[in-house]
Amino acid sequence: AQSVSQHNHHVILSEAASLELGCNYSYGGTVNLFWYVQYPGQHLQLLLKYFSGDPLVKGIKGFEAEFIKSKFSFNLRKPSVQWSDTAEYFCAVNAFYNTDKLIFGTGTRLQVFP
Amino acid sequence: NAGVTQTPKFQVLKTGQSMTLQCAQDMNHEYMSWYRQDPGMGLRLIHYSVGAGITDQGEVPNGYNVSRSTTEDFPLRLLSAAPSQTSVYFCASSRGQGTAQNTGELFFGEGSRLTVL
Repeated sequence: AQSVSQHNHHVILSEAASLELGCNYSYGGTVNLFWYVQYPGQHLQLLLKYFSGDPLVKGIKGFEAEFIKSKFSFNLRKPSVQWSDTAEYFCAVNAFYNTDKLIFGTGTRLQVFP
Repeated sequence: NAGVTQTPKFQVLKTGQSMTLQCAQDMNHEYMSWYRQDPGMGLRLIHYSVGAGITDQGEVPNGYNVSRSTTEDFPLRLLSAAPSQTSVYFCASSRGQGTAQNTGELFFGEGSRLTVL
């Protein structure tokens, strides 16, 4: 079974700082990888996803993530954060050939101060 | 399109009471699922369904029942609520397996906050 680890539980940044959130997964086969964002009081929305091709994936609002297969990682990055990026970020994984179970990490709470 | 609609948004129950959280989607998605979200634990899969008449267990199924009589609806039932079931519940849907370029991307409802006293 697959599992996801997000080691950064709470990150505090000032506006314009760079962001990198870690995500490592455990699964022996081919995977699809996702980052979801949950703004305060809202439901989860897809930020970006990887399923094949270029391991550097660009998503909405200037976010990107890089899939490093050898490290089982899918870290999320943004060069310059804004106050509006304050949210909780979830990494998720499912098996490429059986997408029935999308497994989430425990989430990283990001606070950005002006 | 309304997307994924959950009702109620808030509910308070007493221990031992039963209730049903409703979920409906209008995107003709084959796949539907229920998650619970708890602080520090992320989202955990409770039950899921790959199509009408088919359901299966996720990571934390105990204490919950589901059924899928139509493509649109996927209700979650708590038969005898316990304080440990206090949580925020999210319903989600996606295109089913076998669909071209399906990656299992989920579309979420707005959540139902349940408190069990």
